[in-house]
Amino acid sequence: DAGVIQSPRHEVTEMGQEVTLRCKPISGHDYLFWYRQTMMRGLELLIYFNNNVPIDDSGMPEDRFSAKMPNASFSTLKIQPSEPRDSAVYFCASSFSEGGEQYFGPGTRLTVT
Amino acid sequence: GNSVTQMEGPVTLSEEAFLTINCTYTATGYPSLFWYVQYPGEGLQLLLKATKADDKGSNKGFEATYRKETTSFHLEKGSVQVSDSAVYFCALSEGGGYQKVTFGTGTKLQVIP
Repeated sequence: DAGVIQSPRHEVTEMGQEVTLRCKPISGHDYLFWYRQTMMRGLELLIYFNNNVPIDDSGMPEDRFSAKMPNASFSTLKIQPSEPRDSAVYFCASSFSEGGEQYFGPGTRLTVT
Repeated sequence: GNSVTQMEGPVTLSEEAFLTINCTYTATGYPSLFWYVQYPGEGLQLLLKATKADDKGSNKGFEATYRKETTSFHLEKGSVQVSDSAVYFCALSEGGGYQKVTFGTGTKLQVIP
């Protein structure tokens, strides 16, 4: 298996622009997680899905952030409008329904200028 | 709620030195415990896990024992290598179908030749 795939790997955008991050989980995994990692706040869970349904979005910082999972093999995290404080590495991870082990993608490094 | 506390880094060791990274947790039930490792520029990957009290997880020379009485899961390695330089995250999952994982803040390890 190719593992969790994220695109793009790097994104540089200007403040106010819309940003869309993409994730393809490992086939057969029914949980998908979006995390944000910064030096100041460490690793933060933003939202997670089970069988394509959002279960807990309490970590989404504000309404500018939205996430979707239209099918079992694809998810997006959208920021509109983006702000410099959104600069971070965003990780997608997936897991089976039992066991708890999460498989992380390589991350998307977002820079908002 | 659940929480994980790790010793603060960075930890700097000479090659072949003994490593201990302390981790303690707070949980309401009987969690599964994990150590994840993050190499520079990569996502997190599972290093080892333990699912019940007194279990020992081990991988690549690293070990950690699930100590329910002290609520601890300290990571150890007898002889570190330069290639072990990374950030190490302790984590827990309540399990039982609840997939949200609580991560510690991470401990950066630097091994010098």
